[in-house]
Amino acid sequence: DSGVTQTPKHLITATGQRVTLRCSPRSGDLSVYWYQQSLDQGLQFLIQYYNGEERAKGNILERFSAQQFPDLHSELNLSSLELGDSALYFCASSVTTSGGADTQYFGPGTRLTVL
Amino acid sequence: AQSVTQLDSHVSVSEGTPVLLRCNYSSSYSPSLFWYVQHPNKGLQLLLKYTSAATLVKGINGFEAEFKKSETSFHLTKPSAHMSDAAEYFCVVSEPLGFNKFYFGSGTKLNVKP
Repeated sequence: DSGVTQTPKHLITATGQRVTLRCSPRSGDLSVYWYQQSLDQGLQFLIQYYNGEERAKGNILERFSAQQFPDLHSELNLSSLELGDSALYFCASSVTTSGGADTQYFGPGTRLTVL
Repeated sequence: AQSVTQLDSHVSVSEGTPVLLRCNYSSSYSPSLFWYVQHPNKGLQLLLKYTSAATLVKGINGFEAEFKKSETSFHLTKPSAHMSDAAEYFCVVSEPLGFNKFYFGSGTKLNVKP
């Protein structure tokens, strides 16, 4: 158990809908990362938050947004869902010390199915 | 620029034989290097990490990796494969500049035959 929790574990919804995925980082970790993993595109980095602020953006669509709250949990919002958004969504967390070695710990993922 | 190349997308071994999963990286700085394992429909689990200490790193489940700066490689090995090792393995590089960025390889799927 990595200490990173994600809810829900599974989500089934329809095209055009909006969903929210939730992530709680390990105790003491200030950074949260979101990844999308699909069969055709592999593991894609979406976005990173550090202590409530956006730090880095990857291949995140404009229909997707995220935020990190004062208690450091994070939510990933996916809207106007399309069939191609069906994927496993992972959250990872790390302590993040500037200039130091950092390690990511991954949650179990949320499997999103868009019908 | 940072990049990570996992040289084999699929590797197949027989149970009890050695495992070698290859990873090459490019980095302008002294990187941190990681191997993660992902079993089907599971999250990524940290196997081992290198952070400029000993070049031979031992991880969980009998895996180890050797950092070779001259070859810019960080290959993952295990002396004897077990059926439970069948999974996908990711090599990851991080540069300790300001806030770390992580670069993932494309993954290697390990198949273990009985």
